[in-house]
Amino acid sequence: GQQLNQSPQSMFIQEGEDVSMNCTSSSIFNTWLWYKQDPGEGPVLLIALYKAGELTSNGRLTAQFGITRKDSFLNISASIPSDVGIYFCAGLGETSGSRLTFGEGTQLTVNP
Amino acid sequence: SAVISQKPSRDICQRGTSLTIQCQVDSQVTMMFWYRQQPGQSLTLIATANQGSEATYESGFVIDKFPISRPNLTFSTLTVSNMSPEDSSIYLCSVWGTSGANEQFFGPGTRLTVL
Repeated sequence: GQQLNQSPQSMFIQEGEDVSMNCTSSSIFNTWLWYKQDPGEGPVLLIALYKAGELTSNGRLTAQFGITRKDSFLNISASIPSDVGIYFCAGLGETSGSRLTFGEGTQLTVNP
Repeated sequence: SAVISQKPSRDICQRGTSLTIQCQVDSQVTMMFWYRQQPGQSLTLIATANQGSEATYESGFVIDKFPISRPNLTFSTLTVSNMSPEDSSIYLCSVWGTSGANEQFFGPGTRLTVL
């Protein structure tokens, strides 16, 4: 089946730093979604991307849909302590119907 | 967006028993999805629940272990049957939003611990 490789697996940064994480796939995706999950909570949708090359922002977060349609990245600028959590990418592929494929997640730790 | 609630939020169960998890959505949706998230892991799709038909299970998941009900367009239940410690996970339900855009929203999850 389809797989998403998400990296890095974890990040430890200082408050105020910028963060970048990405997901890659061997197959084409039509939709990329980025989620944040806090401990004990369900994933919360941050950004949705629908077209190759699309660049979308949500506050300090910016995500891009790769030109090849096989990758996406998420940037967080000027990180703050509440950015701590697990970030997941998810994609909707050409052959997956309505079923999302999830990346393995990036655990972000922000030191004040 | 969609507002999703789940009950219970957490439970501790004994081996061999069963637990039914409820999922309620604030709007009518065609498909509801059930995921499992094992400790420290990503989300794995268990099944897709369609109203009026049997659920569609992913590879590795079977109806006898995870029976699903979908009595109407706003509600679904997932039962974890004959539980073992390996079933200790967070169980999440999700739906696609009703705006027409491909956005999937998740409930808060049910944290299950099996002793």
